[in-house]
Amino acid sequence: NAGVTQTPKFQVLKTGQSMTLQCAQDMNHEYMSWYRQDPGMGLRLIHYSVGAGITDQGEVPNGYNVSRSTTEDFPLRLLSAAPSQTSVYFCASRTGGLAKNIQYFGAGTRLSVL
Amino acid sequence: AQTVTQSQPEMSVQEAETVTLSCTYDTSESNYYLFWYKQPPSRQMILVIRQEAYKQQNATENRFSVNFQKAAKSFSLKISDSQLGDTAMYFCAFISNTGNQFYFGTGTSLTVIP
Repeated sequence: NAGVTQTPKFQVLKTGQSMTLQCAQDMNHEYMSWYRQDPGMGLRLIHYSVGAGITDQGEVPNGYNVSRSTTEDFPLRLLSAAPSQTSVYFCASRTGGLAKNIQYFGAGTRLSVL
Repeated sequence: AQTVTQSQPEMSVQEAETVTLSCTYDTSESNYYLFWYKQPPSRQMILVIRQEAYKQQNATENRFSVNFQKAAKSFSLKISDSQLGDTAMYFCAFISNTGNQFYFGTGTSLTVIP
């Protein structure tokens, strides 16, 4: 009964370092998304995918890359971390069926960029 | 473009009392879904309640109910018999029936006072 699994839960980076936030779901959901949460700004969509091999940009895509090679995994890559990317990151997934609008979230990753 | 507005950054309520959180949205779509998510200090995003726009009846989940006013584009959450465990950040969210993106409000931080 894993649902959406995000790793790591916490990460500290130095400016300019790269890293990948991992996201995996075991519900066979077509749709997956990455959000960032900042104080006073709610959740903002970074990138999303409607199926394996298909990704698209959200509201705040700059500085982030994604790929979707399998239905289960949707990693988020920071190529050169900046202090402005300090945030809490959430991965989410949902089905494309009749219940397609019920979104399930991972536990989040708190990222600090120094 | 869709927007979701939560105009109450912080609210408090006495235990066992009732509180209403406000949310307004803007869209030109006719079919859509609205949600309230709860985020306790654990950071986990928890779906509280969901409303389909074409349903006139307001959704209810135990102590949680909504007042959905489609013409006014208003979607408020009422919490009855408030409990200490209701202390959390609450987010209002929107997705159109034909869209791929969720839009979130900036959140309302609710504190239940013993």
